[in-house]
Amino acid sequence: EDQVTQSPEALRLQEGESSSLNCSYTVSGLRGLFWYRQDPGKGPEFLFTLYSAGEEKEKERLKATLTKKESFLHITAPKPEDSATYLCAADGGNDYKLSFGAGTTVTVRA
Amino acid sequence: EAQVTQNPRYLITVTGKKLTVTCSQNMNHEYMSWYRQDPGLGLRQIYYSMNVEVTDKGDVPEGYKVSRKEKRNFPLILESPSPNQTSLYFCASTLGRGGEQYFGPGTRLTVT
Repeated sequence: EDQVTQSPEALRLQEGESSSLNCSYTVSGLRGLFWYRQDPGKGPEFLFTLYSAGEEKEKERLKATLTKKESFLHITAPKPEDSATYLCAADGGNDYKLSFGAGTTVTVRA
Repeated sequence: EAQVTQNPRYLITVTGKKLTVTCSQNMNHEYMSWYRQDPGLGLRQIYYSMNVEVTDKGDVPEGYKVSRKEKRNFPLILESPSPNQTSLYFCASTLGRGGEQYFGPGTRLTVT
């Protein structure tokens, strides 16, 4: 069974304090590893798709990387507006079942 | 504006009273999905559809039905809701596998 685990559950950062979020996955035949941002009361918002080990993508202060077993979301010099829950999801196999992790809630204090 | 819309946004109902949550997208996307989100469990896929008249079960399909008669619409049907279906529901669409998923604003359902 496909499984996606995110850690830590919550992360409190001071503004400017860089950190990383982890997403471990067990998926047969990975077709894509996704990162989303979710603000309270809203639907998830797409950030990145990674397709193969070694791939990296960046957007502003966020950088996502992928290995064969894990993905990391690095937040460099975060600002309060980066506070949100970050979700990762894996698409694998022949069907279109997407498996989401439970998310990491990031709080950035000014 | 590219978007996924859901209605209603909030719904309080009683056990056993059939309900439908509508979902519509204006991006001509092939794939659509329904998810439920519960604290500590994250998003779990209920059903998905790869095209008109093509649907399949996700991880938690029990107690739910879907239909895809038109490309833009993907309603979620609860024929006999129970309290354990109290949750936050999201509809999403994407052009194809591996693509960016667009999520709707969510429907908060309470079944008493």
